[in-house]
Amino acid sequence: EIVLTQSPGTLSLSPGERATLSCRASQSVSSSYLAWYQQKPGQAPRLLIYGASSRATGIPDRFSGSGSGTDFTLTISRLEPEDFAVYYCQQYGSSPPNTFGQGTKLEIK
Amino acid sequence: QVQLVQSGAEVKKPGASVKVSCKASGYTFTSYGISWVRQAPGQGLEWMGWISAYNGNTNYAQKLQGRVTMTTDTSTSTAYMELRSLRSDDTAVYYCARDYILESRWFDPWGQGTLVTVSS
Repeated sequence: EIVLTQSPGTLSLSPGERATLSCRASQSVSSSYLAWYQQKPGQAPRLLIYGASSRATGIPDRFSGSGSGTDFTLTISRLEPEDFAVYYCQQYGSSPPNTFGQGTKLEIK
Repeated sequence: QVQLVQSGAEVKKPGASVKVSCKASGYTFTSYGISWVRQAPGQGLEWMGWISAYNGNTNYAQKLQGRVTMTTDTSTSTAYMELRSLRSDDTAVYYCARDYILESRWFDPWGQGTLVTVSS
């Protein structure tokens, strides 16, 4: 099973700053089959990125994904107040499929 | 718009079973799959399994094999997840999410979640 490790556990930034979130896999993720989700308190997760770098429908272009192999990054170019949430990465396509990282909490500094 | 609406909260005793429903609308149900993901209180996300609404194929997480069954009713565009022999550590919010038709990939969108509480 592929284990995903996200860092940092908590990231404290101010609105307008740039956020860089990391997701590292214990083995190579095939075909860049990696997704990112945002979850706010009391809400279901929302898909942001799939295929490591493709934005989901309706996601603002300040969100971008990059990486391949074992190292992936979610970047939020300029933080808006509504971006403070927990972010999860997920890998798919392996066997057994579908594991999530433990999450990164993005909080207001 | 694409929407998944789940059934309401449940309280169950240890050893009992629970069946959660997920009604889809706004898209062709049989052109996609459904995955189920759970989240224990204050914890992260755990994928439980996937079912293709096209052909009924399933893929369950190994740790739940033998306790979970996922089904679909294409006449009502509804997916179901049944979990048996409930334990206290099954207490969680259970989410359904639209997935790929032939295998599990990414999840979009998600249902609103169903809280299942297991307590004596």
